[in-house]
Amino acid sequence: ELKVEQNPLFLSMQEGKNYTIYCNYSTTSDRLYWYRQDPGKSLESLFVLLSNGAVKQEGRLMASLDTKARLSTLHITAAVHDLSATYFCAVGNNNNDMRFGAGTRLTVKP
Amino acid sequence: DVKVTQSSRYLVKRTGEKVFLECVQDMDHENMFWYRQDPGLGLRLIYFSYDVKMKEKGDIPEGYSVSREKKERFSLILESASTNQTSMYLCASSVGTAFYGYTFGSGTRLTVV
Repeated sequence: ELKVEQNPLFLSMQEGKNYTIYCNYSTTSDRLYWYRQDPGKSLESLFVLLSNGAVKQEGRLMASLDTKARLSTLHITAAVHDLSATYFCAVGNNNNDMRFGAGTRLTVKP
Repeated sequence: DVKVTQSSRYLVKRTGEKVFLECVQDMDHENMFWYRQDPGLGLRLIYFSYDVKMKEKGDIPEGYSVSREKKERFSLILESASTNQTSMYLCASSVGTAFYGYTFGSGTRLTVV
């Protein structure tokens, strides 16, 4: 059974600092997704990673995938307040469904 | 603009009631999913469907059932609502291979009293 572990669950950062969110999963998969959720809103797709070594960047966020280590990272560079949200990783399972991590609630403080 | 629409944003129901949560997508997607979201637990898969009249159990199907009579509509049914089913319910859809992830609805916050 596919299990997805995300850490940390809570992250408080100062503006301008860098940090990384980690996503580990338990069984082989070649599909890894990152989503963002703002309070009271639904999930918005950030990145889709479909192969080992895949790296994608959008603004201050960069996601990478190591399928051999079953690990994805979401790196935040020079954080700004607008990045405050909850970030979820999700791993593709058989049958086109996916399993989600518990989420990382990020707060960026001035 | 492609959409997944959940019929209710907030619902309050009484224990023992039969509850219907409706989800409609306009993207002609084959796959549809129901998740519940609880703090600290992330999203947990309740049921999903690959095609009309087909359904598959997810990780937490107990106390729920689903219906997919038309491709665009996927309903989640709480046969007899209980307080432990108070949660945020999210519907999602995807194309057949799901390679590009899901499109989510805005969610239904259900409170069972």
